[in-house]
Amino acid sequence: GAVVSQHPSRVICKSGTSVKIECRSLDFQATTMFWYRQFPKQSLMLMATSNEGSKATYEQGVEKDKFLINHASLTLSTLTVTSAHPEDSSFYICSARDKATYEQYFGPGTRLTVT
Amino acid sequence: QKEVEQNSGPLSVPEGAIASLNCTYSDRGSQSFFWYRQYSGKSPELIMSIYSNGDKEDGRFTAQLNKASQYVSLLIRDSQPSDSATYLCAVKGNQGGKLIFGQGTELSVKP
Repeated sequence: GAVVSQHPSRVICKSGTSVKIECRSLDFQATTMFWYRQFPKQSLMLMATSNEGSKATYEQGVEKDKFLINHASLTLSTLTVTSAHPEDSSFYICSARDKATYEQYFGPGTRLTVT
Repeated sequence: QKEVEQNSGPLSVPEGAIASLNCTYSDRGSQSFFWYRQYSGKSPELIMSIYSNGDKEDGRFTAQLNKASQYVSLLIRDSQPSDSATYLCAVKGNQGGKLIFGQGTELSVKP
């Protein structure tokens, strides 16, 4: 089956630093990837939609200058949390849509803790 | 009104019973509906997808869709303790194919 990986799975960083999270589709091409954020006991909230080779589309209320998304290839999208603050601590999950089947597959998530 | 609504629970059922999870959505133009299971600290995993009115069965799981009532449900027969998780209802709208999630229902199956 289709596999989406995320790296790192867990990261702890200091307030004010930047963190990059990678999302890869391992056995399919993904023209579209989605980035979600989930706080404890809450549902997944879509942050942005990234399309290969173009700028990401951010959901209302998500700061595009703080959450930088790059989708440079059909198998890789990255999310960079810039100048991280403790309130950015969350579970970040990416999802990739198969170019051929249009099915959407989720990565295992990245737990970010900002101290 | 939230786009996708679920009872947050927790819903507690005894082992072997039927668990019934419900979801309503606001976008009448929605075409695709999904149920995901999420264990604590893990990413969601797809259980069922349903696209047309009626029932769809897969093993112990049955999804039901009623577009006129904007309602989708998931029945879990012969519930097992391993079914204890949060169940997320998701709806794919017409805007760029985004998946919109409900807040999830926490299910607890007691041995």
